[in-house]
Amino acid sequence: QKEVEQDPGPLSVPEGAIVSLNCTYSNSAFQYFMWYRQYSRKGPELLMYTYSSGNKEDGRFTAQVDKSSKYISLFIRDSQPSDSATYLCAMSFQGAQKLVFGQGTRLTINP
Amino acid sequence: EAGVAQSPRYKIIEKRQSVAFWCNPISGHATLYWYQQILGQGPKLLIQFQNNGVVDDSQLPKDRFSAERLKGVDSTLKIQPAKLEDSAVYLCASSKGTGKETQYFGPGTRLLVL
Repeated sequence: QKEVEQDPGPLSVPEGAIVSLNCTYSNSAFQYFMWYRQYSRKGPELLMYTYSSGNKEDGRFTAQVDKSSKYISLFIRDSQPSDSATYLCAMSFQGAQKLVFGQGTRLTINP
Repeated sequence: EAGVAQSPRYKIIEKRQSVAFWCNPISGHATLYWYQQILGQGPKLLIQFQNNGVVDDSQLPKDRFSAERLKGVDSTLKIQPAKLEDSAVYLCASSKGTGKETQYFGPGTRLLVL
């Protein structure tokens, strides 16, 4: 079993739709949870960063962490074609900088 | 502020050949990471440097992979000899190194081993 599981998709939705991306994990010691966005032939860039359980909102993006279920989500409201990319969840342990990534979900927003 | 620079961007080699990748982190960043991203997978950490010392190389295949960070700035990652399964994108990232800060990724080097 992988430490972090993420549905690879691909996921295709119309412009303006609400997108839900999810990851599950097996190690309860993870404390920091991140979402990265990776455009084709580019490196990942940090989108959202959450410590422990709870919600965090930034513009059209909302990140949720449910540690009791070992489940994290990223919601994108009013999705735009420019949101088309691969979205990677990542996690790390307290006191460590090493990131453990999910395999990424490829998302396409159709105009 | 300039981002993380990597070269070359693409490399094609035959199996059993050797190859080297170069990374220049963001100025002032103490921590440097090398990740391997196989097609369809998320990045996997190969090695982490804090200044010029190794913090974590537990997932580096040390029989064929080596990395160094001279003077705590630039870094090189070498594969010798390469195998078909080494085909991947090699990503370099850097962070300030003061705690739980953001890692900034370079564009990566895309390696194809034939």
